[in-house]
Amino acid sequence: AQTVTQSQPEMSVQEAETVTLSCTYDTSESDYYLFWYKQPPSRQMILVIRQEAYKQQNATENRFSVNFQKAAKSFSLKISDSQLGDAAMYFCAYRSYPYGGATNKLIFGTGTLLAVQP
Amino acid sequence: DTGVSQDPRHKITKRGQNVTFRCDPISEHNRLYWYRQTLGQGPEFLTYFQNEAQLEKSRLLSDRFSAERPKGSFSTLEIQRTEQGDSAMYLCASSSGLGTLGGYTFGSGTRLTVV
Repeated sequence: AQTVTQSQPEMSVQEAETVTLSCTYDTSESDYYLFWYKQPPSRQMILVIRQEAYKQQNATENRFSVNFQKAAKSFSLKISDSQLGDAAMYFCAYRSYPYGGATNKLIFGTGTLLAVQP
Repeated sequence: DTGVSQDPRHKITKRGQNVTFRCDPISEHNRLYWYRQTLGQGPEFLTYFQNEAQLEKSRLLSDRFSAERPKGSFSTLEIQRTEQGDSAMYLCASSSGLGTLGGYTFGSGTRLTVV
């Protein structure tokens, strides 16, 4: 079974600075997707960035980028130029590649609560 | 389309009562998922529908839980004989079946409190 581990329950960053959130995972599969989701307080979860395991190039979305190390099973999220609106719970998630019979579920880590200090 | 809608947003019930939650997915999404999230934890998968067929169900889901998706549109999640341990946020998500690189759209959730 696949597992996702986020070892940082809480992180803090100064506005305009850069912060990196860590995520490791365990799987025996070679094809899969990895995601970072953001959950602001009392608001719905939204997708921040995703990475396909077969792609060596790290995904980027504006101020958000990942460092995907497949061999090490590591998938960290870097937030550059942090803004007050980035304050939220961040979840790392894993999904198997949709081959026939593969599960469609997302497997989440326990989350990292990010505070942004003005 | 305004996204995934869940109703109610909050539900307080007495232990032993039955509760039902509703999820309206994005209209063109044929896949629908239910997750449960407790305080300080990530969402846990409960069940998955493709159109009206329930294709996957977590082993964590006791027989007090049942979900339906008649006609492949909205879905309901019912919990019978609620227990205090059922208190959680219940999240619904939907996606299309076109690969979509795995992305889901989540609703805002229904927060259940069992007293």
